[in-house]
Amino acid sequence: DIQMTQSPSSLSASVGDRVTITCRASQSIDSYLNWYQQKPGKAPKVLIYAASSLQSGVPSKFSGSGSGTDFTLTISSLQPEDFATYYCQQSYSRPRTFGQGTKVEIK
Amino acid sequence: EVQLVESGGGLVQPGGSLRLSCAASGFTFSNYWMSWVRQAPGKGLEWVANIKVDGSEKYYVDSVKGRFTISRDDAKNSLYLQMNSLRAEDTAVYYCARDEPVHDYWGQGTLVTVSS
Repeated sequence: DIQMTQSPSSLSASVGDRVTITCRASQSIDSYLNWYQQKPGKAPKVLIYAASSLQSGVPSKFSGSGSGTDFTLTISSLQPEDFATYYCQQSYSRPRTFGQGTKVEIK
Repeated sequence: EVQLVESGGGLVQPGGSLRLSCAASGFTFSNYWMSWVRQAPGKGLEWVANIKVDGSEKYYVDSVKGRFTISRDDAKNSLYLQMNSLRAEDTAVYYCARDEPVHDYWGQGTLVTVSS
């Protein structure tokens, strides 16, 4: 199985900050990498698919990059509604493994 | 509007069985792969299983192989997860999600608690 490792596991940031979350795959997954946002008590919501494609309806402050084994999710200017947990997931092979999550908290 | 509504969760004893259902609407269900994803209390997301459009291919995470069975009924626009030999570590919120190549729609989840 492909292991997905996110860093950091948590971070504290202020409104307006630029935030970057990293995801590393245990083997090359080309660009088969998705990013999800989850708020407490809610189902996850897809933000980015295929490493850098913005899901319809998602604000452009979210962006993704990378290929192979190393990927990043960037939030250009953090807003109150962005405080949540973010997960990466590979869709290169099954099982479709997720990273352990990155919790973004208010500083 | 795409909707996915799970049902069938509850409290079950270790070794017991439960069948989860997911009712889909707002899209052509038969055209999509579908998945189950779970989340243990306070933990991260774990992909559990998925099923091809015609049901001819099914894939599972190792931890549930031989115990869980994913199935679908396209005539009823429904996805199922039959869970047997349940263990305490299967306790989680179970989500159904539209699939391939990304989980673009999710249900609200149904809680399964395995405890004596």
